[in-house]
Amino acid sequence: GENVEQHPSTLSVQEGDSAVIKCTYSDSASNYFPWYKQELGKRPQLIIDIRSNVGEKKDQRIAVTLNKTAKHFSLHITETQPEDSAVYFCAATGAQKLVFGQGTRLTINP
Amino acid sequence: KAGVTQTPRYLIKTRGQQVTLSCSPISGHRSVSWYQQTPGQGLQFLFEYFSETQRNKGNFPGRFSGRQFSNSRSEMNVSTLELGDSALYLCASSFSMSYTEAFFGQGTRLTVV
Repeated sequence: GENVEQHPSTLSVQEGDSAVIKCTYSDSASNYFPWYKQELGKRPQLIIDIRSNVGEKKDQRIAVTLNKTAKHFSLHITETQPEDSAVYFCAATGAQKLVFGQGTRLTINP
Repeated sequence: KAGVTQTPRYLIKTRGQQVTLSCSPISGHRSVSWYQQTPGQGLQFLFEYFSETQRNKGNFPGRFSGRQFSNSRSEMNVSTLELGDSALYLCASSFSMSYTEAFFGQGTRLTVV
């Protein structure tokens, strides 16, 4: 079945710097790759997603890139702000289910 | 429109008891998935229902079961509770889990004592 690996597990960056989180997936049939942000005590919220027919997608300070050949995708956050501090999860579709990575705890230092 | 609603929000049960959790998806969504979230284990897939049929099941023991009703509401049941079942249980709804956005409920925090 699908397996998603996410790195790093923790990431600490200075406010204003960029943050990058990387994921790899195993199922070449996967065609949808969302990213979720989960703040402490809250539900995971979809922040951006990408489908297999697209290589890159941007939404203001957030971008996601997908390399289908290498089976990896990445989340890029530019000009980080304190409110970006949270746990981020990547996911990939596999047989009618979303399989999640283990999460990255992002801390923005003022 | 209303989001995904899970009830109850918090639950404390004793080992050996059983528990039923409820999830009401976003109107029009027919797919409901359940996940177990524990510290350090991320989001572990339990099962997915679409139009009252279980289409996929994760690697959990048979004590974990679920069902979906004709109005797409879903319930999850855990029998013979163990201490290790303490977790946040999240459900997510979607038009179709494999290709469209999934939205999560607030979760049910289950504590087994």
